[in-house]
Amino acid sequence: AQKVTQAQTEISVVEKEDVTLDCVYETRDTTYYLFWYKQPPSGELVFLIRRNSFDEQNEISGRYSWNFQKSTSSFNFTITASQVVDSAVYFCALSEVQTGANNLFFGTGTRLTVIP
Amino acid sequence: GAGVSQSPSNKVTEKGKDVELRCDPISGHTALYWYRQSLGQGLEFLIYFQGNSAPDKSGLPSDRFSAERTGGSVSTLTIQRTQQEDSAVYLCASSRLAGRGYNEQFFGPGTRLTVL
Repeated sequence: AQKVTQAQTEISVVEKEDVTLDCVYETRDTTYYLFWYKQPPSGELVFLIRRNSFDEQNEISGRYSWNFQKSTSSFNFTITASQVVDSAVYFCALSEVQTGANNLFFGTGTRLTVIP
Repeated sequence: GAGVSQSPSNKVTEKGKDVELRCDPISGHTALYWYRQSLGQGLEFLIYFQGNSAPDKSGLPSDRFSAERTGGSVSTLTIQRTQQEDSAVYLCASSRLAGRGYNEQFFGPGTRLTVL
């Protein structure tokens, strides 16, 4: 069965610190996609990144970077030089291909608070 | 380009009443999803529509829940005989591509349902 675990329920950092949000997943599919979404206080989920299971290349987008490691079934998200606007709940999600599931399986989210 | 819109933004109802929640997906998006976000359950998949195919209803929690999508665009989620445990934020999402697993979903702002 598929599962996404975000063990960190809440994290607080001081502005300008780096922070890593952990995501560990379980799936029997060999082909799948992993996602990160941000949910700011306004409530709307914002898509951040998609990664397919055949692409383990790490990605950097500005202050955001993602580390995908199939060997440990992890897809961690790092924010460099955090800012107050980064305060939000961050969700990791999994979508399977071979089982035909068309929905996203979400982790329980990590609430990040950046203190000015 | 407008994003996914949902109405109403807030709905308060009495236990036992029926409610209808509406979702307008992004124009041109062929896939539409409903999720529920509640404190105890996190983000749960409810139902998925793709073109004219039969919807994937595997996430609906009971037969009190139903959804339809008219003309491949607007969708309505109906909850009959509402119960207090139905209180949650109901999120709608749409995606452009229909490929299995390749579902970069864009979310609406949600409808907050409160059942008294």
